[in-house]
Amino acid sequence: DAKTTQPPSMDCAEGRAANLPCNHSTISGNEYVYWYRQIHSQGPQYIIHGLKNNETNEMASLIITEDRKSSTLILPHATLRDTAVYYCIVRYLATSYGKLTFGQGTILTVHP
Amino acid sequence: DTEVTQTPKHLVMGMTNKKSLKCEQHMGHRAMYWYKQKAKKPPELMFVYSYEKLSINESVPSRFSPECPNSSLLNLHLHALQPEDSALYLCASSFGLAGRYEQYFGPGTRLTVT
Repeated sequence: DAKTTQPPSMDCAEGRAANLPCNHSTISGNEYVYWYRQIHSQGPQYIIHGLKNNETNEMASLIITEDRKSSTLILPHATLRDTAVYYCIVRYLATSYGKLTFGQGTILTVHP
Repeated sequence: DTEVTQTPKHLVMGMTNKKSLKCEQHMGHRAMYWYKQKAKKPPELMFVYSYEKLSINESVPSRFSPECPNSSLLNLHLHALQPEDSALYLCASSFGLAGRYEQYFGPGTRLTVT
């Protein structure tokens, strides 16, 4: 699976959009981009995933650049409960056999 | 019910003790996982079970012994652990092993080895 690079930490004001970047310049054509988050003292939680098209669900939006070398997770209206570590993971679904390889992630702190 | 439960929440054990961690899900998932997470580090995969059979062992020391007695239950038996094994142990489950299935995580068991 391709390696990802994320900023170690980011801040966001409550009610504003949080934009979390992820660099995956070595991604191959069959690898998906996944996002999980881990709120303090809880297990990781799935957020969203995509291959090449932008994706949106009730939690977030995922924007993948045309060359697929980077992506951005967008939390449209961040709340204090969105304070967490956000992990960007690249997976080749055909052979990953359920393996999730977490990187260091981004600590997002949402301020009042 | 989209919940994975883990017991106990906290466990303190000596290096000569034998203890077990328990994980349960009732979502009909056929894949279950154990992860280990050290403080301020990301989770690391330890074991994967699919249809109650061990599918992946990430070269975990034999003092950790997983068991999947049925499709809803996953245990991790601990024996002769070292202080460096102190960590948060996370259980997860998914509908299948295929990468398209998201994993649901439990809250973890915080283990301290004295």
